[in-house]
Amino acid sequence: EVQLVESGGGLVQPGGSLRLSCAASGFTFSDYSMNWVRQAPGKGLEWLSYISGSGSSTYYADSVKGRFTVSRDNAKNSLYLQMNSLRDEDTAVYYCARDLRGPGVYFDYWGQGTLVTVSS
Amino acid sequence: EIVLTQSPATLSLSPGERATLSCRASQSVNSYLAWYQQKPGQAPRLLIYDASNRATGIPARFSGSGSGTDFTLTISSLEPEDFAVYYCQQRTNWPLTFGPGTKVDIK
Repeated sequence: EVQLVESGGGLVQPGGSLRLSCAASGFTFSDYSMNWVRQAPGKGLEWLSYISGSGSSTYYADSVKGRFTVSRDNAKNSLYLQMNSLRDEDTAVYYCARDLRGPGVYFDYWGQGTLVTVSS
Repeated sequence: EIVLTQSPATLSLSPGERATLSCRASQSVNSYLAWYQQKPGQAPRLLIYDASNRATGIPARFSGSGSGTDFTLTISSLEPEDFAVYYCQQRTNWPLTFGPGTKVDIK
């Protein structure tokens, strides 16, 4: 069974940093590209970042480019999101999501999400 | 950036009725569009990809159509568990983008 479990969320002050993790199981992690998607309270979905299976290719939304960094450790079946210079508007539930292998960047499995609250 | 617009914002229907949801792109996305369902407190679920392909395990009452800039998600006969928010998403260009969602609620 495919499972994605996010962790690392919490309360952080504006300008602070946080590192999210996503532990994957039930599939060959290195075979799949992965993504981070967030959802502000009561709002819609926002794609944030993509990383290829090898980690050699990454893409970011403009809203987080230069502040967030996606990485992965295939030996540990883990995905990460390093978030720096956090702003109030980064408050959201952060999901990791697996690519639907083959057709392209669609998200076929999602974690349960981890809440990040940026507030003083 | 490709902007996706969904209409209506809210659709009020009764169980058994047909639901027709629209997603329009600011430029052509070919057929590279997906639909997701999200219920309160849950992660989204992939329903349709590449405009018309049902994802694994998705019931046949869900169907997608369209290409270019105009897309439709149809639920042929609403079941109680189908009342949720539905999002479209394009994968044609970076950044990937989602529509703002259509809420299907019980009339």
